Amino acid sequence: NAGVTQTPKFQVLKTGQSMTLQCAQDMNHNSMYWYRQDPGMGLRLIYYSASEGTTDKGEVPNGYNVSRLNKREFSLRLESAAPSQTSVYFCASSAGTGLAKNIQYFGAGTRLSVL
Amino acid sequence: AQKITQTQPGMFVQEKEAVTLDCTYDTSDPSYGLFWYKQPSSGEMIFLIYQGSYDQQNATEGRYSLNFQKARKSANLVISASQLGDSAMYFCAMRETLNTGNQFYFGTGTSLTVIP
Repeated sequence: NAGVTQTPKFQVLKTGQSMTLQCAQDMNHNSMYWYRQDPGMGLRLIYYSASEGTTDKGEVPNGYNVSRLNKREFSLRLESAAPSQTSVYFCASSAGTGLAKNIQYFGAGTRLSVL
Repeated sequence: AQKITQTQPGMFVQEKEAVTLDCTYDTSDPSYGLFWYKQPSSGEMIFLIYQGSYDQQNATEGRYSLNFQKARKSANLVISASQLGDSAMYFCAMRETLNTGNQFYFGTGTSLTVIP
């Protein structure tokens, strides 16, 4: 009963390096999301994908790109990492953005440090 | 303006007592949803309870209830009969659907400590 799986769990990057955070869900959900969580700021939405083939910006999209590879997978890419991107990243999925009760289910998070 | 405001950075409650965690929100969307999540020290986000803007009754899920006061734009979480395992961060969140599509906003959280 995996739910939402994120890889890697931890990552250290040097400024300017690139990396991709992977997320997969096995709940046949239509919608997927990427958040970042910084101390004292709660979670902030980076990008979301309402359905396969679509992506939209959230509150803090700058410096990130996303790909909805298929219904199961939604990746987040940092092209040129900056220290300001040091954070904990959460992936989430939900049945569909068209539903009123759009409950999101979260992965365990990826702790990223950019030096 | 903040979309979600949680004014209590930290709260303490005696085991078996009830506790209320405050949340106020700001939106012009007539159709919005309100959520509460729990984040234990292990880090995962656990869904607790949902309230839709058109729901007439306050939501309840076991020991959790949501005190929804629409005119005041507040959605306080009430935990009854607190248990030691309730010690965690609690986040209030809102979904709104305006011109920018579905957006979710989280508050800064309240750290709850249950005292034996």
